[in-house]
Parts: sequence; structure tokens; C-alpha cells
Amino acid sequence: EADIYQTPRYLVIGTGKKITLECSQTMGHDKMYWYQQDPGMELHLIHYSYGVNSTEKGDLSSESTVSRIRTEHFPLTLESARPSHTSQYLCASRDRGNTGELFFGEGSRLTVL
Amino acid sequence: AQSVTQPDIHITVSEGASLELRCNYSYGATPYLFWYVQSPGQGLQLLLKYFSGDTLVQGIKGFEAEFKRSQSSFNLRKPSVHWSDAAEYFCAVGSGGSYIPTFGRGTSLIVHP
Repeated sequence: EADIYQTPRYLVIGTGKKITLECSQTMGHDKMYWYQQDPGMELHLIHYSYGVNSTEKGDLSSESTVSRIRTEHFPLTLESARPSHTSQYLCASRDRGNTGELFFGEGSRLTVL
Repeated sequence: AQSVTQPDIHITVSEGASLELRCNYSYGATPYLFWYVQSPGQGLQLLLKYFSGDTLVQGIKGFEAEFKRSQSSFNLRKPSVHWSDAAEYFCAVGSGGSYIPTFGRGTSLIVHP
């Protein structure tokens, strides 16, 4: 069973609010990822990290930001939420090997009113 | 660049029937291939993966997949579907040089009783 946790699972918030989605893993994985997934749609990579103090933007442009101060923690922040940010956000991590599988959290479903 | 195509957006089968979900990839060298399953409201769970060796790989929950290099395919199969298999299925491809797997858009499996 994967040891990667996301909070909150569900969040309903008003426009203009600042939100942080938390993601933590206890597997010591160096690589971590944030994906955005709209209902019935593919996963879009929005951020990734190869290790502490390493963050990169993914394929899908996003107004969110991330940080990686500790190996186990990879939070995603939206400074000013808008309805267009309504989506499911999935966090994942990967072990050292190139062939390693991704371990996913259960997701954070964000609704911005 | 690597890419994944899952041509079927929805697949409907009767419980007890056999299943095949299609996946085609585009990549110059030998790819690393994965199938993930996502139950409603959940993150993704790995079903199986292929790196090298035997082209028929066995996974969890009775699933298997066959890598066919000549067809650039990695189709997922199950001989007898259970109602609990209803979910979203994602094929993904990675490579030795990339830590970022590419996902297909997913196939939604509907199981009729």
C-alpha cells in the first residue's frame, strides 16, 4: 500500500482565496509530481520535483506554485483561486529507478465558487 | 517525444465477459509501459508494468497485458470481468532517460450485471 497522503480530500472555497494542497510521502522518494485531472479527462502534469530545492513546471501551464523544502513534503499553492481552478489535483511520487512506478495519493478535489 | 493513445473512451462489457483495453504508444527505443486503474474519487493504482523480458506480464486483480513491439501496443486483458472492475484505466509510457511518464487519456470501463 502506498504511503502518500493528500489533504484536504475535498475543498470548496470562494474566488480570491489562497489555498494550499498538502502532499506528503513516507517512502523517501526523491521525485514527486502534481497532476491536474478534470472529470473524464487525462492527467496533465503541472509541477514536478527531482529532490529538495528542485521544482519544475510541467506540460500544462498552471497559476499554482510548489515548494520542496523537505523530501517528504510537496505542497501546491494557489495565491488567488478562481473558478477555472476547479479540478482534481493528484500528487504522486516515484522511487530512484528509471523504471519505477508512480505512487499516487487519493487526490484533492477543489471547487472554487 | 513519447506519446500514448487509448482509442476507446468508453468500453461496456457484461459481468463475466472478457475484456481488452487498447493502448498504443509512440517512442523510439524500448519503452517502459504501465497500466493504472482509478476507482471513482480515488488516486491511481498500478495494475502492471513492462520493462523487458517476457512480453506477457501479469498484474494484480487478474489482469494481464502483452507488449507487441511490431504493433507498438500494450493492450490490457482480463478473461472474466467483475462488477468491481468498473473504473478508469490509464496506460502510461516512460523511458530510461525520462523520469516523467506520459499518460493516455484513459478508458472508462462500464460493467453491466
